[in-house]
Amino acid sequence: GAVVSQHPSWVICKSGTSVKIECRSLDFQATTMFWYRQFPKQSLMLMATSNEGSKATYEQGVEKDKFLINHASLTLSTLTVTSAHPEDSSFYICSARDLALDSTDTQYFGPGTRLTVL
Amino acid sequence: GENVEQHPSTLSVQEGDSAVIKCTYSDSASNYFPWYKQELGKRPQLIIDIRSNVGEKKDQRIAVTLNKTAKHFSLHITETQPEDSAVYFCAASPWGDKIIFGKGTRLHILP
Repeated sequence: GAVVSQHPSWVICKSGTSVKIECRSLDFQATTMFWYRQFPKQSLMLMATSNEGSKATYEQGVEKDKFLINHASLTLSTLTVTSAHPEDSSFYICSARDLALDSTDTQYFGPGTRLTVL
Repeated sequence: GENVEQHPSTLSVQEGDSAVIKCTYSDSASNYFPWYKQELGKRPQLIIDIRSNVGEKKDQRIAVTLNKTAKHFSLHITETQPEDSAVYFCAASPWGDKIIFGKGTRLHILP
C-alpha cells in the first residue's frame, strides 16, 4: 500500500532557530501533499497544500514566510519552520495523494513530527 | 470554506454496546467523507469513508451513513471492544481537494 514517511520523528530546537521537516512518499508519486498541525487534544488543522512544481497554497492565518514549503519532486515535500518560537511547538503531520494512483481522493498520512521549541 | 462540526466531544460506552458519532458539514460541494481513528502520538488511520453517491456503507462492526440533503453523516461502531478506545475524527472534502477535519470525539470503552 501507499506509504508516507516523515523525518525527523521528533526534534527539539532553541527559540529563534529554523527546523526542516521532510515528508516522503515511498512507493508512489505524490502530486499533491498537505501539511497539518495538531496541538495537544485538538484536531488536525490544515496549514497548506503543496503541488509539485508550483507554489504552496496556505490556509487563512498561516504565515507563508514563517512556514516555508517546498515540493520540489514528486516524492518529497519539506516544511521549514523559520525563527521557531515555543508557540510553534506542535505535532506536524503531512499527507500525500496521487490521483493518478487509484483515481480516488484518499490521503495517506505520515507518522508525524513532534516539534518542541525551548 | 468548509466547516465540519462533530459531536459529542467525549463518549463513554460499555464494552459490547454501540457508539454513534455525528457530524455536519457546510459546503454542499463536499462529496468525500472519511473517518479517522487516532491513537495518542500516532498518525490518523482511515477506518472507513463514504462518497456522496452512497447513503450507507458498512465494514464489519463499523458503518457510516450520509444524508446529503441535511448535510449530516454519522459513524456507528457496534459491539465495541477495548481496542476501540481512541480519538475519532470525521472529515469532509470536495473531490480532489483538501480535507477538513471535525474537532474529534474521544471514545472510552468501559469494561
